[in-house]
Amino acid sequence: QLQLQESGPGLVKPSETLSLTCIVSGGSITSSSYYWGWIRQPPGKGLEWIGSIYYSGSTYYNPSLKSRLTISVDTSKNQFSLKLSSVTAADTAVYYCARHGANGYNWNNFDQWGQGTLVTVFS
Amino acid sequence: QTVVTQEPSFSVSPGGTVTLTCGLSSGSVSTSYYPTWYQQTPGQAPRTLIYNTDTRSSGIPDRFSGSILGNKAALTITGAQADDDSDYYCVLYMGSGITVFGGGTQLAVL
Repeated sequence: QLQLQESGPGLVKPSETLSLTCIVSGGSITSSSYYWGWIRQPPGKGLEWIGSIYYSGSTYYNPSLKSRLTISVDTSKNQFSLKLSSVTAADTAVYYCARHGANGYNWNNFDQWGQGTLVTVFS
Repeated sequence: QTVVTQEPSFSVSPGGTVTLTCGLSSGSVSTSYYPTWYQQTPGQAPRTLIYNTDTRSSGIPDRFSGSILGNKAALTITGAQADDDSDYYCVLYMGSGITVFGGGTQLAVL
């Protein structure tokens, strides 16, 4: 059974870099059928797609975050990571990692999710 | 930037039918946007109800259905139950790997 688990600091200071890792277990991150994505949700607000990565390293980023965002993959550890630089209070959110399809018809289908981790930007 | 629009809130009586919609600030939603619908309860990760406009995800009861109605994607819940009281999000594929979530609809079953 596939499981995703986010890990990383729960507190980040303004202007610093938020770093999270998603560890994938029970399945291989190198499956050709899936991309691996990050989604966030500020407290009491809606969901926002951050970006996605394929096991080959191919990435797609939310244009509104692209200038501050790096998503990478480590196939040897079966995990992928998020780095968001120059954070502000507006980046405070629950961050989820999730798997989604690699084809158009299922690209939006985030079918497996981590439990989410709250990251607070706080000085 | 294109905004995906949803009703902020909606209510339905137990046993009733409700249709939530998902539109665009500019233009019409079609199957080419591969509309997908999620249900989220407090403290939980979202779960997929419908993807690719009208395909139910595994284990989702058939009282949830997806469609295109006019210029919007739609999620219809037939025979609403108390545990359908949740937030519902649609998400559209904009092309070039870009995905945009709607603001969500808070559905009350009362």
